[in-house]
Amino acid sequence: GENVEQHPSTLSVQEGDSAVIKCTYSDSASNYFPWYKQELGKRPQLIIDIRSNVGEKKDQRIAVTLNKTAKHFSLHITETQPEDSAVYFCAAKWGAQKLVFGQGTRLTINP
Amino acid sequence: DVKVTQSSRYLVKRTGEKVFLECVQDMDHENMFWYRQDPGLGLRLIYFSYDVKMKEKGDIPEGYSVSREKKERFSLILESASTNQTSMYLCASRTGTGTEGYTFGSGTRLTVV
Repeated sequence: GENVEQHPSTLSVQEGDSAVIKCTYSDSASNYFPWYKQELGKRPQLIIDIRSNVGEKKDQRIAVTLNKTAKHFSLHITETQPEDSAVYFCAAKWGAQKLVFGQGTRLTINP
Repeated sequence: DVKVTQSSRYLVKRTGEKVFLECVQDMDHENMFWYRQDPGLGLRLIYFSYDVKMKEKGDIPEGYSVSREKKERFSLILESASTNQTSMYLCASRTGTGTEGYTFGSGTRLTVV
C-alpha cells in the first residue's frame, strides 16, 4: 500500500524566515497531494493541495511543489508569522477515496 | 460550511468496556473516515465507508468495528477497549465527486484506564 514519509518532525524558524517541509510517497499511482494544518486543540484544516498534472501551486505565502519522478512533494511557507505555528500534515491519495498521511511536522515560529 | 460533528470531545472508559464514538456530517457526503492520531505516527486510517452500509478496513482495523446505517452518521465501535486504544480519534468526510479534500471533525480524545 501507499506509504508517506514526512520530514522534519519538528522545525523551528525565526519570524519572517521561510519554512520547508518535505514528504515522499511510495505509490506512483497517487495523483492528489493535500496539506493540512492543525493548530493546538483544533481539527486539521486543508490549506493547499496539488494534483499530479502540475508541478507547483501557490496561494499567497504558501506554495507546494511536486516532483513526480522522484515521488516527493514539499510545502514552502515564506515570511513566516506567529500564527503559522502548528502541526502540518502532508498526505497522498491512495485508491479511489483514501488519504494516507505523513507523520506530521510541528512548526514553531520564534518572534 | 460543511460540518462534521463528533459527539464527545473527551471520553474516559475502563478496560474491557464497549465504546461508541459517533460522527455526523451535514453535507450529504458519500465518504466517511475514522482515523486515530498519535504523536510521531500522524493520522492512521482505521475504517472508512463510501456508502450506507458499506465499509472497508483501513490500515489498523484490529480491535475496531464501524456502523453506517444512515448516510450522515458513521460510528466507530471499540468492542472491548484496551489501554493501547488511548488516542485522539478523528472523523472526516468528503463528497464522492469533485473536491477531494477531507473535512475533519474536532476529534474525540479517548482515555482507556
